[in-house]
Amino acid sequence: SQTIHQWPATLVQPVGSPLSLECTVEGTSNPNLYWYRQAAGRGLQLLFYSVGIGQISSEVPQNLSASRPQDRQFILSSKKLLLSDSGFYLCAWALGATDTQYFGPGTRLTVL
Amino acid sequence: QQQVKQSPQSLIVQKGGIPIINCAYENTAFDYFPWYQQFPGKGPALLIAIRPDVSEKKEGRFTISFNKSAKQFSLHIMDSQPGDSATYFCAASSGGATNKLIFGTGTLLAVQP
Repeated sequence: SQTIHQWPATLVQPVGSPLSLECTVEGTSNPNLYWYRQAAGRGLQLLFYSVGIGQISSEVPQNLSASRPQDRQFILSSKKLLLSDSGFYLCAWALGATDTQYFGPGTRLTVL
Repeated sequence: QQQVKQSPQSLIVQKGGIPIINCAYENTAFDYFPWYQQFPGKGPALLIAIRPDVSEKKEGRFTISFNKSAKQFSLHIMDSQPGDSATYFCAASSGGATNKLIFGTGTLLAVQP
């Protein structure tokens, strides 16, 4: 069966510091991968998606970037965090020929 | 046209009641409509999904009703329980290689014992 992992689970970072969040998927090959951000009490905002290694599409201009160095690894990064980057970051995967997305457990990021 | 509008924003029902959450869309290219359930501090989990070729789908106590002509769909939770208290998101997708989902803004459901 497929499993999606995210780490760290929680993170507190000062403004201006770098960020690296990691997501990995097990039990499948060539998945579509997604990064979402969820502000407190709000909906899910799609940040990036990837249909293959090295292929990244950005949905919203922002202070963040994403990379996919391996088939089942998706990384969300920032060179300098802003207060507005605080939120709950969710990674999701889907098989290319299907529509269902499966979410990871999330990373709670607080920027102080 | 890419939006999915969800209502109500929050809902309180008594145990055993039938909460109903509604969603509406404009893009007629959407052909997949899932509902996700999210507990605090957790990632959303797929609850049930429907495609436009059927008007209703049931899985346990959860039912999706779909009205293609009105471009609306809704989630009904039969015999609701306190354990159903969570945030519910509807979503829509037009498929394709990217499987991008457009999410509603969420409904916070509280089921009182």
